[in-house]
Amino acid sequence: GAVVSQHPSWVICKSGTSVKIECRSLDFQATTMFWYRQFPKQSLMLMATSNEGSKATYEQGVEKDKFLINHASLTLSTLTVTSAHPEDSSFYICSATSDRKNQPQHFGDGTRLSIL
Amino acid sequence: AQSVAQPEDQVNVAEGNPLTVKCTYSVSGNPYLFWYVQYPNRGLQFLLKYITGDNLVKGSYGFEAEFNKSQTSFHLKKPSALVSDSALYFCAVRDPLSGGYQKVTFGTGTKLQVIP
Repeated sequence: GAVVSQHPSWVICKSGTSVKIECRSLDFQATTMFWYRQFPKQSLMLMATSNEGSKATYEQGVEKDKFLINHASLTLSTLTVTSAHPEDSSFYICSATSDRKNQPQHFGDGTRLSIL
Repeated sequence: AQSVAQPEDQVNVAEGNPLTVKCTYSVSGNPYLFWYVQYPNRGLQFLLKYITGDNLVKGSYGFEAEFNKSQTSFHLKKPSALVSDSALYFCAVRDPLSGGYQKVTFGTGTKLQVIP
């Protein structure tokens, strides 16, 4: 149980384009989803927290207009990297958790984003 | 505020030997503690958690962790290491008094290398 699907797993695109990453909870209702960025050999950096039906809460230093997050349903959240540049290249990981107390976050397999 | 420290960037252990990956934490209240494992180019997989109760927690793949309140530690252990255990391990903590949509703080990760 508690499967989170993240798509696509790998994206290569040109500078200036926008890229959408989807995160789905397949067998539970995810009231809260998290988006992380991970640099090589580094820990996870929380970018934002999203709750179904409300605006995402962004961490300090993360540009809201650059990284658009939508959590339209209890099973889907999307991250759109707008006007992507090479410095946005990274490994992006989503996680989801239900509103049941004390539940761990369950992670997707990540998206490797490469901007040329 | 909540924080977690993993003092070792890398741990090397011979196959068949016991392994320990260290984690210490800081929270204002009683902590919720988690261990995750990450394989290359994958998301994080949940291993085990401590919420309350028995200080020794058993998790997936034969791993266990011991909660020590006096030392504010939550070290991950396994009696006999396998080569397939080689991966990146993250400790995480959540202060249940902190609110914030179940946001957790991750350590910097420890790379475990099991040598055949």
